[in-house]
Amino acid sequence: GEDVEQSLFLSVREGDSSVINCTYTDSSSTYLYWYKQEPGAGLQLLTYIFSNMDMKQDQRLTVLLNKKDKHLSLRIADTQTGDSAIYFCAESNLGGSYIPTFGRGTSLIVHP
Amino acid sequence: NAGVTQTPKFQVLKTGQSMTLQCAQDMNHEYMSWYRQDPGMGLRLIHYSVGAGITDQGEVPNGYNVSRSTTEDFPLRLLSAAPSQTSVYFCASSLIGGGGQETQYFGPGTRLLVL
Repeated sequence: GEDVEQSLFLSVREGDSSVINCTYTDSSSTYLYWYKQEPGAGLQLLTYIFSNMDMKQDQRLTVLLNKKDKHLSLRIADTQTGDSAIYFCAESNLGGSYIPTFGRGTSLIVHP
Repeated sequence: NAGVTQTPKFQVLKTGQSMTLQCAQDMNHEYMSWYRQDPGMGLRLIHYSVGAGITDQGEVPNGYNVSRSTTEDFPLRLLSAAPSQTSVYFCASSLIGGGGQETQYFGPGTRLLVL
């Protein structure tokens, strides 16, 4: 089965908040990441959270981690058209290969 | 720093041909990895390396070979191309340490079409 799951699409209006959700199965996950992929480009790390944290905020981005439910979310405040991209959730653990496991990605579409 | 570079950017192959996708990084990263990205499938790990001379298989290694003779380079070889290998290939590198977080830096990708 899939280790990291995300919904495939999210559509929001410009100026609203976007919330992208992710669930993972590995209880030994150490780091959880959010990557952004713009059209025709590689992935760019947006932010990460260590597993002993509940929340991390970085400007318009807020990451929430519910370790009990193995649920990670990314909130983008005041979503802009430039935020339209695919967002990937990923996890890695110290006991594994250190290579992150990625979800399938959520396509965020921001419309005026 | 150039970061992670990949060549070529685009490639068209015929079934049965072989080729090598090049990946190089100039950040002295120990870890390097190859992913393929297919619509609706996200990124799937093909092979990875934790240092020069050390490689291991990922989720979808069949039909691909890798080697890591230097820290900087991590080429991916397609032995006999098949249409199922049509995909976008990403190389990534990361450094372990500096507080424990590992940030993966991705190359721009190689778009491969196998006819």
